[in-house]
Amino acid sequence: GENVEQHPSTLSVQEGDSAVIKCTYSDSASNYFPWYKQELGKRPQLIIDIRSNVGEKKDQRIAVTLNKTAKHFSLHITETQPEDSAVYFCAATDYNAGGTSYGKLTFGQGTILTVHP
Amino acid sequence: DTGVSQDPRHKITKRGQNVTFRCDPISEHNRLYWYRQTLGQGPEFLTYFQNEAQLEKSRLLSDRFSAERPKGSFSTLEIQRTEQGDSAMYLCASSPSAKTQYFGPGTRLLVL
Repeated sequence: GENVEQHPSTLSVQEGDSAVIKCTYSDSASNYFPWYKQELGKRPQLIIDIRSNVGEKKDQRIAVTLNKTAKHFSLHITETQPEDSAVYFCAATDYNAGGTSYGKLTFGQGTILTVHP
Repeated sequence: DTGVSQDPRHKITKRGQNVTFRCDPISEHNRLYWYRQTLGQGPEFLTYFQNEAQLEKSRLLSDRFSAERPKGSFSTLEIQRTEQGDSAMYLCASSPSAKTQYFGPGTRLLVL
């Protein structure tokens, strides 16, 4: 089965700095890679995702890059703000619309991001 | 709120008791997933429903666990003879076909 490794486990930055979180996956069949943000006591919320036919995707201050050959993908947050402080999880699945894959997500262990004002 | 909802939000029970959790997915989402999350870890897949059919179960789902989605809408997850190791956050997620999974707020279970 799929195995996802996530680093670092904790990340502390100053407001305005950039933050980078990296994940590696093991199953070459995986083709969908979402990132979730989870604040204390709250539900995981999708912040960005990328499919395997794309190398990079941006949404304002957040970007994700994917290297299929190396089987790793990264989350980049620029101009960090204190409200970015949370736990971030990467995930992977071999998701397809044909119904032959059920799309269960395999998550990384999480990164606790702290943005200091 | 038209998102995924779960009930109860918190449950404290004694070891050996049975508990049941409910998940109401976003309407018209035919895919429903259950995950378990322990402190400091990412969610782990438990089981998957497509409409009312349970199509995949994790090895984490022992025979004390059972899940149903009788009419293809809400789902229930029952744990029989609870053990302290069952203490965790139980998360439900729903998805329309080939789209993103949206998570509910979770049910936090504490087994004493």
